[in-house]
Amino acid sequence: DTGVSQNPRHKITKRGQNVTFRCDPISEHNRLYWYRQTLGQGPEFLTYFQNEAQLEKSRLLSDRFSAERPKGSFSTLEIQRTEQGDSAMYLCASSLAQGQGYEQYFGPGTRLTVT
Amino acid sequence: RKEVEQDPGPFNVPEGATVAFNCTYSNSASQSFFWYRQDCRKEPKLLMSVYSSGNEDGRFTAQLNRASQYISLLIRDSKLSDSATYLCVVNPNGTASKLTFGTGTRLQVTL
Repeated sequence: DTGVSQNPRHKITKRGQNVTFRCDPISEHNRLYWYRQTLGQGPEFLTYFQNEAQLEKSRLLSDRFSAERPKGSFSTLEIQRTEQGDSAMYLCASSLAQGQGYEQYFGPGTRLTVT
Repeated sequence: RKEVEQDPGPFNVPEGATVAFNCTYSNSASQSFFWYRQDCRKEPKLLMSVYSSGNEDGRFTAQLNRASQYISLLIRDSKLSDSATYLCVVNPNGTASKLTFGTGTRLQVTL
């Protein structure tokens, strides 16, 4: 499968714990995006990378959230000191930096439940 | 005002019907537009990009009206498998950057 992959698919954690999610983009895509989606809402942008550079962060990305893409391939999203409000689906997408209408393709997501 | 607004539905239509969804966006400088489909508890999947001249892909037709800041999606001859949430999506910057999603319109196609 050459699509976007994400791990784990599900994560249940207790409030106050740290969690880390991984995203592997489509291999030739140099842009990688993180979104968060809660029930009944559309995905909301969190941050994106071109290669290893983080180009934009949303105000939704509090100090407890950090994302990295150290070698310009896979990316990790870490949430420290999780809160119940962090419960959501965390989606990763990738695209080319130009061409093809900048179409973004999504991975299956990581569903986080904070108890 | 939300950046992208959609009627949440649900739209309940019989198989074979034609159904249309509308969406408005607030940023007049937006450059790229898309429709994504999302099945329950799954990721959004790109359905089609929306071009200024309008475009068609099989039973699906998308239209863009820049003057009214309005995007539409028409589904002809609805199938049971079309049941899903349809997300209207805008790329405000017109480059490979963040997407802004509407809340989605739920479609249920019935026998």
